[in-house]
Amino acid sequence: ETGVTQSPTHLIKTRGQQVTLRCSSQSGHNTVSWYQQALGQGPQFIFQYYREEENGRGNFPPRFSGLQFPNYSSELNVNALELDDSALYLCASSRRVEGNTIYFGEGSWLTVV
Amino acid sequence: GENVEQHPSTLSVQEGDSAVIKCTYSDSASNYFPWYKQELGKRPQLIIDIRSNVGEKKDQRIAVTLNKTAKHFSLHITETQPEDSAVYFCAASRATGNQFYFGTGTSLTVIP
Repeated sequence: ETGVTQSPTHLIKTRGQQVTLRCSSQSGHNTVSWYQQALGQGPQFIFQYYREEENGRGNFPPRFSGLQFPNYSSELNVNALELDDSALYLCASSRRVEGNTIYFGEGSWLTVV
Repeated sequence: GENVEQHPSTLSVQEGDSAVIKCTYSDSASNYFPWYKQELGKRPQLIIDIRSNVGEKKDQRIAVTLNKTAKHFSLHITETQPEDSAVYFCAASRATGNQFYFGTGTSLTVIP
């Protein structure tokens, strides 16, 4: 196990609703990244947080937002959910000093209906 | 930005045979290339990685090779076993970057 924990593991939301996904990083890891993995696809980078600030963003609209807390845990918030947001959302943590080896959590399965 | 292509998309091998998965990348500044194994309904797990200062790395039955000039890298699994059946993803990143670019995955089936 990686020590990266995510919650909830599964959830179903209605189009237009908002969702918050949570991640606790591995002990000693100060950087958290979020990825979206649609069915049959590779993970797509959403954004990364380091020292509680966004440190890079992929090609995702502003309705995808996040937070990192002093204990390095993180949240991913998605507003105005669309059907295409249905995916596995993966949190990955890493230690800055080790370069960029990332370790994924088990993910949160989001279904938008 | 970086573009990572992965081939083949599906691969079936007999138990005991070797499997090879190939990836190409476009950004010459990429210098870190991990491989992940993802079983159905599970998270991607790092199985091996290589940095651009080496050309090959081995870990038991798994090896990865890197050709920086040609911008491609490959995963080699020898003596395949049924438990090797999974989807494998390659990825590329810069050491100073914050984003990993993943391939589209290879579904490997090892036939007993």
